[in-house]
Amino acid sequence: EPEVTQTPSHQVTQMGQEVILRCVPISNHLYFYWYRQILGQKVEFLVSFYNNEISEKSEIFDDQFSVERPDGSNFTLKIRSTKLEDSAMYFCASTPDLGGNQPQHFGDGTRLSIL
Amino acid sequence: DQQVKQNSPSLSVQEGRISILNCDYTNSMFDYFLWYKKYPAEGPTFLISISSIKDKNEDGRFTVFLNKSAKHLSLHIVPSQPGDSAVYFCAASGGAQKLVFGQGTRLTINP
Repeated sequence: EPEVTQTPSHQVTQMGQEVILRCVPISNHLYFYWYRQILGQKVEFLVSFYNNEISEKSEIFDDQFSVERPDGSNFTLKIRSTKLEDSAMYFCASTPDLGGNQPQHFGDGTRLSIL
Repeated sequence: DQQVKQNSPSLSVQEGRISILNCDYTNSMFDYFLWYKKYPAEGPTFLISISSIKDKNEDGRFTVFLNKSAKHLSLHIVPSQPGDSAVYFCAASGGAQKLVFGQGTRLTINP
């Protein structure tokens, strides 16, 4: 079964450094998402992306965050100047299209640890 | 943000019996509801979903019930198996594609 893949599985970064989290969505999917889960808290929506544009973003997704689809397969989340509170699991998800209600399929996540 | 709530952080069920996981929501704009299962060190795995035009959806051992008037949904697993031990998340969406998640319920199936 096709799956969403995320790399790296664990990223350790010094506070203030930039970090890029990578995702390869399922190949025929058109809508992409990033979520995060801080330890002990809910999974929270960050951003959705379609046709090379942000469709929706949450209050969490401020100017330090950006997303990009640099080629036909990768979808990246960049955090420009990391803070301690950015430590979390980051999940990428994708859906084929917006036609009707369709489940989002998630990758296994990247654990981001900010020191 | 308490739009989706799972009030039971944990549930323990005997193997072979029925597991019932509950979820409440407050936003009447939600029209699509999903259940995800999550093992440690893995991402959420889609289990089953239901549209607001239905009140029941069944897939093998898994059935989701939706009570719109009570803004409540439940997931029934029968019979429960040891491999069902995981954290179960309820999620909802309404128009926009973003999912709003509950806090999760840790289900333990005892042999």
